[in-house]
Amino acid sequence: DSGVTQTPKHLITATGQRVTLRCSPRSGDLSVYWYQQSLDQGLQFLIQYYNGEERAKGNILERFSAQQFPDLHSELNLSSLELGDSALYFCASSEGGGAGGYTFGSGTRLTVV
Amino acid sequence: AQTVTQSQPEMSVQEAETVTLSCTYDTSESDYYLFWYKQPPSRQMILVIRQEAYKQQNATENRFSVNFQKAAKSFSLKISDSQLGDAAMYFCAYNPDKIIFGKGTRLHILP
Repeated sequence: DSGVTQTPKHLITATGQRVTLRCSPRSGDLSVYWYQQSLDQGLQFLIQYYNGEERAKGNILERFSAQQFPDLHSELNLSSLELGDSALYFCASSEGGGAGGYTFGSGTRLTVV
Repeated sequence: AQTVTQSQPEMSVQEAETVTLSCTYDTSESDYYLFWYKQPPSRQMILVIRQEAYKQQNATENRFSVNFQKAAKSFSLKISDSQLGDAAMYFCAYNPDKIIFGKGTRLHILP
């Protein structure tokens, strides 16, 4: 157990639908990061939050949004889902800027049918 | 643009042998961090080793060591005494302000 909790582990949904992925960071970590990993690809950075505020944005689609709540858990919202959004979505956390590396959750496997 | 390149999509090594995975990165920063992550079939991302760019000494973690060449922007991973459990996808990563990953090298261990 890495200390980063992601729910749900698996999600199957239809095109056009909206889903919410949830992440609880490791205790003490203020930064949360979201990554997307498509089949057998590297991890693409989506967005970072630090202590409730958006810190950095990557190639995140406009259909996707995220937030970090006062208790530091984060949610990634994916709407108007397309087949190409099927992927493994990782949440990671770090104390600050991640100089020591990030701790990753086990991911949410999203399948859009 | 900041990029990380892993030129070997797949590699194989005999059990107990040594293998080196290559990685280069592109940056204009002088202060940053480098990592190797392992992703086994379980898909969990596991930190293998990290290197601070301002340190000349190469990092070592048990059977894992790196060869960090800052001027060449090269950061290779050496795995000694390869074990079956080392079979995984290995990602090189670079952190100037957020972690950027390479596309990975799939490592097969031959018994």
